[in-house]
Amino acid sequence: DVKVTQSSRYLVKRTGEKVFLECVQDMDHENMFWYRQDPGLGLRLIYFSYDVKMKEKGDIPEGYSVSREKKERFSLILESASTNQTSMYLCASSPRDGRGHNEQFFGPGTRLTVL
Amino acid sequence: EDKVVQSPLSLVVHEGDTVTLNCSYEVTNFRSLLWYKQEKKAPTFLFMLTSSGIEKKSGRLSSILDKKELFSILNITATQTGDSAIYLCAVDHNTNAGKSTFGDGTTLTVKP
Repeated sequence: DVKVTQSSRYLVKRTGEKVFLECVQDMDHENMFWYRQDPGLGLRLIYFSYDVKMKEKGDIPEGYSVSREKKERFSLILESASTNQTSMYLCASSPRDGRGHNEQFFGPGTRLTVL
Repeated sequence: EDKVVQSPLSLVVHEGDTVTLNCSYEVTNFRSLLWYKQEKKAPTFLFMLTSSGIEKKSGRLSSILDKKELFSILNITATQTGDSAIYLCAVDHNTNAGKSTFGDGTTLTVKP
C-alpha cells in the first residue's frame, strides 16, 4: 500500500520560530510537492522537487524554503513563522514518468497554527 | 498564467439527486486532467483524463474531457451522504517535474 507520511498532524508555533515540516514517501517517486490549502483558495503550490537536491519554486514560495537530501524525504522550512502562514500543509509525490498514471499521492496534512 | 476554474464553488443537494461539477482550464503544456476527492484529510485520486470524448466511469461517478472547449465535467448520480467532500480538479503539465495546477474545488454537501 503506497504511503506518504508527514511528521505532524497538528503543530502550534510562535511568530518568529523556525518550523520544519517533514514528508516521507515509500513509493520511490521522483517528484515531490508541498502545497498549502486555505478555505476557498484550493491547493497552492509552494515548492516542488523532481530529483534529489533539485527544487523549483511554485506559485507562493515567499517565506518558505525546502530541502531534498534523499529521494524519499522532502522538507518544508519556515525560516521565521508568521501568523499568515497558519494553514493546512499537504505533501504529495508522483512518479516522473507516469506511463499513463500521473496522479499525485498525498500525505494526511499538517495543520499549522502560528500564534 | 495557468488557470483552472471550478464551478460551482459549493453545492447542497439531497440524497438521490444527480450533480454535475465543472472544471475549465487555460494552461500551457497540457498533459492530462485529474479529479480528486477530499474528505476530512488528504485528496484521493478519482480519474485521469487525457483524450476528448472518452468517458471514465467508476460506480456512480463519471467524467469526460473536452480538449477543444477546454473543460471537464464530473457527474455523480444517485448521490449519498458519503459523497459529501471537496472535489478538486487539477491539470497536469507536460514536464518531467509533474507539476499540477489545481482549481479552488467544489464543496459538495449531500443531505439525507
